Amino acid sequence: EAGVAQSPRYKIIEKRQSVAFWCNPISGHATLYWYQQILGQGPKLLIQFQNNGVVDDSQLPKDRFSAERLKGVDSTLKIQPAKLEDSAVYLCASSLVASGRASTDTQYFGPGTRLTVL
Amino acid sequence: GENVEQHPSTLSVQEGDSAVIKCTYSDSASNYFPWYKQELGKRPQLIIDIRSNVGEKKDQRIAVTLNKTAKHFSLHITETQPEDSAVYFCAASTGNQFYFGTGTSLTVIP
Repeated sequence: EAGVAQSPRYKIIEKRQSVAFWCNPISGHATLYWYQQILGQGPKLLIQFQNNGVVDDSQLPKDRFSAERLKGVDSTLKIQPAKLEDSAVYLCASSLVASGRASTDTQYFGPGTRLTVL
Repeated sequence: GENVEQHPSTLSVQEGDSAVIKCTYSDSASNYFPWYKQELGKRPQLIIDIRSNVGEKKDQRIAVTLNKTAKHFSLHITETQPEDSAVYFCAASTGNQFYFGTGTSLTVIP
């Protein structure tokens, strides 16, 4: 089966600029996750969607980060304006159902977008 | 929210020995505990998971144990091989929230 797709793979911007990342989950997967992984740390969940609704965005810095999944399929994550500390890999993952809800809840990760803020 | 702690942060073992990584969690509502392996520059890959209604699960050389009372779970890798070298992350989920541990860098010395 086709995996989770993300673009771009790499992005370099200067601080205070804006950037957007795109994710296309595995077909049929209702749940979509965006994670931020800073070098040497574990992934931190930024936002979780169930179809086109937000399940959890408690760790999303809402003053500068936004995400949408308007049609319940692909999703975009935006940072505006970027700060130096936003340099990280942004991972998108999807699962058939939300993790912890059923046995079909395995999360599959995309390749990530490596963001460097100068 | 949930707090997942993982130990040790680094672990070196001789090839053929066993490796054990431990995680604790704080939210008693967490009911799903996956383990991921992440090789350098690659995406996390699920290697095994366990649910709150099970105490132990095995898959060949990999096993996971869960103690719900103590709120901790562990990953056991037996007969380690050089290709097991990677960063391993535990995670905990309530169904609505998903938290990763801080990772364990495992090195298997040939």
